[in-house]
Amino acid sequence: DAGVTQSPTHLIKTRGQQVTLRCSPKSGHDTVSWYQQALGQGPQFIFQYYEEEERQRGNFPDRFSGHQFPNYSSELNVNALLLGDSALYLCASSGGGPNEKLFFGSGTQLSVL
Amino acid sequence: AQSVTQLDSQVPVFEEAPVELRCNYSSSVSVYLFWYVQYPNQGLQLLLKYLSGSTLVKGINGFEAEFNKSQTSFHLRKPSVHISDTAEYFCAVSDVKSNFGNEKLTFGTGTRLTIIP
Repeated sequence: DAGVTQSPTHLIKTRGQQVTLRCSPKSGHDTVSWYQQALGQGPQFIFQYYEEEERQRGNFPDRFSGHQFPNYSSELNVNALLLGDSALYLCASSGGGPNEKLFFGSGTQLSVL
Repeated sequence: AQSVTQLDSQVPVFEEAPVELRCNYSSSVSVYLFWYVQYPNQGLQLLLKYLSGSTLVKGINGFEAEFNKSQTSFHLRKPSVHISDTAEYFCAVSDVKSNFGNEKLTFGTGTRLTIIP
């Protein structure tokens, strides 16, 4: 079982560009959540996808958008990158029930120059 | 709205000594409570969680935590630490009444535990 896999592991972009991050959930999981972890901070919830729809959203601007595919994999898109978007982006998956355990990937480190 | 405060950003401890990492939370609704560990260049791993029942919760790697509702605290403890416990530890909460499981977590800013040989 490969667990939660994210790609790429590292990415460097410049201000104003757009970026797409990818996540494959753990086998058997249908719910994917994305978190942003700035340096020295705890992760912050961006949004969650279930059945190819955004189900919950945190306090992030519309520049942050996502998608879930029929195979449950997910993408996080960020438009018009700002320096402050530099962070570790974590994907987490679960079976979606109230007592389900979240499994996190190792993250994508995004640097915006 | 919920918030989590981890009172110590860094905790150095000698090997085989006990450790306590402090966590306090604020919420207008009932919450579930979690502790996660993050090793360098890795994602988060669940150490333990409190959903209901006994307020003393045992987790992996010899860690335990106690839920204190009156003090809104969920401190993490280990009686004897090892070099391998060096990592960042995060306390988190989620809304009990959420219809969407506990995927929407509110995290504290983390405590870096450093074990001194």
